[in-house]
Amino acid sequence: KNEVEQSPQNLTAQEGEFITINCSYSVGISALHWLQQHPGGGIVSLFMLSSGKKKHGRLIATINIQEKHSSLHITASHPRDSAVYICALSRGSNYKLTFGKGTLLTVNP
Amino acid sequence: DTAVSQTPKYLVTQMGNDKSIKCEQNLGHDTMYWYKQDSKKFLKIMFSYNNKELIINETVPNRFSPKSPDKAHLNLHINSLELGDSAVYFCASRPSGGQGDTQYFGPGTRLTVL
Repeated sequence: KNEVEQSPQNLTAQEGEFITINCSYSVGISALHWLQQHPGGGIVSLFMLSSGKKKHGRLIATINIQEKHSSLHITASHPRDSAVYICALSRGSNYKLTFGKGTLLTVNP
Repeated sequence: DTAVSQTPKYLVTQMGNDKSIKCEQNLGHDTMYWYKQDSKKFLKIMFSYNNKELIINETVPNRFSPKSPDKAHLNLHINSLELGDSAVYFCASRPSGGQGDTQYFGPGTRLTVL
């Protein structure tokens, strides 16, 4: 079993819809990251969470440490949100990242 | 200004050749990483250096040798390239000393071994 599981693997939405991507993990972590990989390949760090909730614009990330679960929400989705969203676990003093397999989000106009 | 840069962006080469990928960060970070993204888009850590010292080495074949001449640079040298080495390689850096562990990624180098 993978240490980090994301769902769904693929997600298609209409512009304006509320999006939720889930991440479950099975190990102790120091933090959880949400990353965005654009179709062109670049990777951007969206959030780093160790507890609670963070918001940046239309993106909201939450984490429940006890349940070992995190969600990434996108409100009022837009075609430019189309990308692969990757959950990653940060562990140990070296902050080694372990990645989920990603969720491919496509937002249609 | 580019924060984390990699060269080259694309690299096409024959099996058996030796090649290098360079990474530079101008963020003043102490820690740098190399990641490999395979054809299924799965990212996996390869190496990490902190202040020129190797701190993570993840069961990577010894054909791969990272080199950090200073803390702003982490280069990846690959000997005797194999077909399975074809992937996108990402460099990243991270601040340390209580500044959090958000990592900043380079644009990636797409390596194709023929």
